[in-house]
Amino acid sequence: GNSVTQMEGPVTLSEEAFLTINCTYTATGYPSLFWYVQYPGEGLQLLLKATKADDKGSNKGFEATYRKETTSFHLEKGSVQVSDSAVYFCALSDPREYGGATNKLIFGTGTLLAVQP
Amino acid sequence: KAGVTQTPRYLIKTRGQQVTLSCSPISGHRSVSWYQQTPGQGLQFLFEYFSETQRNKGNFPGRFSGRQFSNSRSEMNVSTLELGDSALYLCASSRAGQGANIQYFGAGTRLSVL
Repeated sequence: GNSVTQMEGPVTLSEEAFLTINCTYTATGYPSLFWYVQYPGEGLQLLLKATKADDKGSNKGFEATYRKETTSFHLEKGSVQVSDSAVYFCALSDPREYGGATNKLIFGTGTLLAVQP
Repeated sequence: KAGVTQTPRYLIKTRGQQVTLSCSPISGHRSVSWYQQTPGQGLQFLFEYFSETQRNKGNFPGRFSGRQFSNSRSEMNVSTLELGDSALYLCASSRAGQGANIQYFGAGTRLSVL
């Protein structure tokens, strides 16, 4: 079945450091891929998405490229800020597995990012 | 435009009781999904509703049920609560019927079972 694997946390960085959070997936079809972020006490917010191979999603300085050959969707940011401290979730949606009619998301375990000033 | 609203934000129940959680999607959104978030199991899909019909269901026991009303608002019910049902329950809504649409999440209902 479909699944998502992301690197264990926590990831602790100093402000302005480079960030990479690894995410790989297993899917029988051609999923869409997402990164969501969860701040303390809140629900999930979509950070970026990519719907087909070689697409690059980007938002607020974060980027991720859909790599079909390595089944990966790694999250990167060139210079993190304290305000980026949160839990980051990689997720996939494969509606074709269900005849094209579902928005079901399969999530990775989440990676806690802590940015120190 | 108002976001996804979940009520209540916090609930404390005892084992054996039942509970109903409510979710109001973003105006115009017809798809509503529910997820359970726990430290041990992470985020797990419960079920999805579209136009008052359940069209997908996760691997949860029958004690977990849901429904969607004609105005797209949704409720989920958990009967005969167990300690392991303590979790953050998240609702998400999306616009259209086709898959892989962006889902917008509410802040969640935190359920504690004593």
